[in-house]
Parts: sequence; C-alpha cells; structure tokens
Amino acid sequence: DAKTTQPTSMDCAEGRAANLPCNHSTISGNEYVYWYRQIHSQGPQYIIHGLKNNETNEMASLIITEDRKSSTLILPHATLRDTAVYYCIVRGANTNAGKSTFGDGTTLTVKP
Amino acid sequence: GAVVSQHPSWVICKSGTSVKIECRSLDFQATTMFWYRQFPKQSLMLMATSNEGSKATYEQGVEKDKFLINHASLTLSTLTVTSAHPEDSSFYICSASTGSYSPLHFGNGTRLTVT
Repeated sequence: DAKTTQPTSMDCAEGRAANLPCNHSTISGNEYVYWYRQIHSQGPQYIIHGLKNNETNEMASLIITEDRKSSTLILPHATLRDTAVYYCIVRGANTNAGKSTFGDGTTLTVKP
Repeated sequence: GAVVSQHPSWVICKSGTSVKIECRSLDFQATTMFWYRQFPKQSLMLMATSNEGSKATYEQGVEKDKFLINHASLTLSTLTVTSAHPEDSSFYICSASTGSYSPLHFGNGTRLTVT
C-alpha cells in the first residue's frame, strides 16, 4: 500500500473548518483513501473514504486532488469533541484490511 | 450500521492470570477480524488476523501461545492473554470489515492493567 504523510499536529478554532492534509504521492489506481480518527482512550472511528471523486457524509468531506497524490479531510464546523488523532490510510482491495498502516496521524486540537 | 462491540472496556488482573477479551460484530457477519495493541502515545500495531473457523494469523514477534485467538462464529472473536505479566498492560482493540474495499470498524478498546 502507498505510504502517507501527514502533519504531526494542527490547531483549529471551535466553529471554524478544520482542513487536514494528507500526501500519498505513490498511490496506485485501485487504492482508496480512508480517514479515521481516534479520540483519547477510545477505539478508532471510521470517518470517510474515497477513490477519486470528492465525498461528503454527515461527519466530513474528503477532497482528493485530480492526480490523487494528496487529499484533504474537512470538518466543516469543528467542535471541542473533534479533538483527536486523525489517520489517513491508503489501501487496495487485495490488501489485508487489518494491515493498514496507521502511522502517527495528525493530532488535531480544537480550541475554544 | 457496521457496529463492533468489545468487552470488557477495562480489566485489572494479577500477574500470572489469564484474561479474555471479546469482540462482536453486532449487525454484520465478519469472517475476518483483527486484533491490535496500542501502547501510550503510540499508533496501533496489528497483532493478528482472526479467521472464522480456522487458525489466526499472527504478525511477526507476536507469541501465538500467549495471545490465544478464537473465532468460533461469524460474529465473535476472542483474544485471551495467557499468563499475563505487567509488560502485557496495554490498550487492546479489535476491528472488522464488511468487504474488500469497505472501511474497518473498530471496537472501543480494552484497557488491560496487569499488577
């Protein structure tokens, strides 16, 4: 699976949009981009995933660049409860899903 | 949909005893489940892949005789930490997926403290 690079940490003001970037320059054609987050002392939570089109659900939006080498997770109106570690993962269908490499992720701190 | 339940949320046990952790898929069938361990301020590390009706596949460096995995049904996998020692204290998490490209759905984790 392609390797991903994320900033170590980010801050965001409560009520503002949080934009979390992820680079995956070696992504291949059949690999999806997945985003998860882990709130302290809880199991990770699935947020959203996509292949090449932008995606939106009740939690967030996922913007994937046309060349698919990077993506941005957008939390439109961040709240204090969105403070968590956010993981960007790239995975293909032939990969054991559990072997997804979580890496260190981005620690997002939402401030009042 | 796609809810994974893990039990217990936390457990304290004495050194030398065994502890069983359950992972259930509540609204889908999971032929494969995954077990992870997470130490403080570190990322998730895959320990093993649990396969319904067959033996688990363990990652390199994980002792299969110490971390016993049973996946007897399509909705339940268990992880038993045998003869636990203080160094086994950690946060254990399970997950499952509904298909090839489907995302992983995680349990809420079990905090194990061995005294």
